[in-house]
Amino acid sequence: DSGVTQTPKHLITATGQRVTLRCSPRSGDLSVYWYQQSLDQGLQFLIQYYNGEERAKGNILERFSAQQFPDLHSELNLSSLELGDSALYFCASSEGTSGWQFFGPGTRLTVL
Amino acid sequence: AQSVTQLDSQVPVFEEAPVELRCNYSSSVSVYLFWYVQYPNQGLQLLLKYLSGSTLVKGINGFEAEFNKSQTSFHLRKPSVHISDTAEYFCAVISGGSYIPTFGRGTSLIVHP
Repeated sequence: DSGVTQTPKHLITATGQRVTLRCSPRSGDLSVYWYQQSLDQGLQFLIQYYNGEERAKGNILERFSAQQFPDLHSELNLSSLELGDSALYFCASSEGTSGWQFFGPGTRLTVL
Repeated sequence: AQSVTQLDSQVPVFEEAPVELRCNYSSSVSVYLFWYVQYPNQGLQLLLKYLSGSTLVKGINGFEAEFNKSQTSFHLRKPSVHISDTAEYFCAVISGGSYIPTFGRGTSLIVHP
């Protein structure tokens, strides 16, 4: 158990819909990272927040957005969903702004 | 820009045999290197890391990796694998001004009885 929690574990929705994925980092960790893992793209970094502020942006689509709240949990919002958004979405956390990360168990999103 | 190449997408091996999973990175500056393991239906778990110091790094579950700067490699090894080592293994690098790791595409280790 890494100490990072993600909800829900599974999510099935339809194209065009909007969903919210939630992540709670390890106790004491200030950074939260979001990744998308798919068979064709591998593990892709989406975005990082550090202590409530956006720190780094990766290959995140404009339809996606994220935020980190004062209690340090984070949410990833995916809107206007397409079939190609079906993937595993991982959250990870670290103590500082970089370094090794602890991953959550992931949320499996299926868009039908 | 940093990048990671995991040369083998799949490595089949028999139980109790040794294994090496290859990882090469591209970066002209100092690097931090990591190996993660992902068991089926689970998240990634840190196996070991190289930040500085000794080039031979020991991790959990009997794995070790050697940082070779001249060959820009960070291969993962285990002298004797178990069925339970069957998983996906990811190499990752942080280098230069970036503080976000770049992950390789992963190597699927399949241990046969």
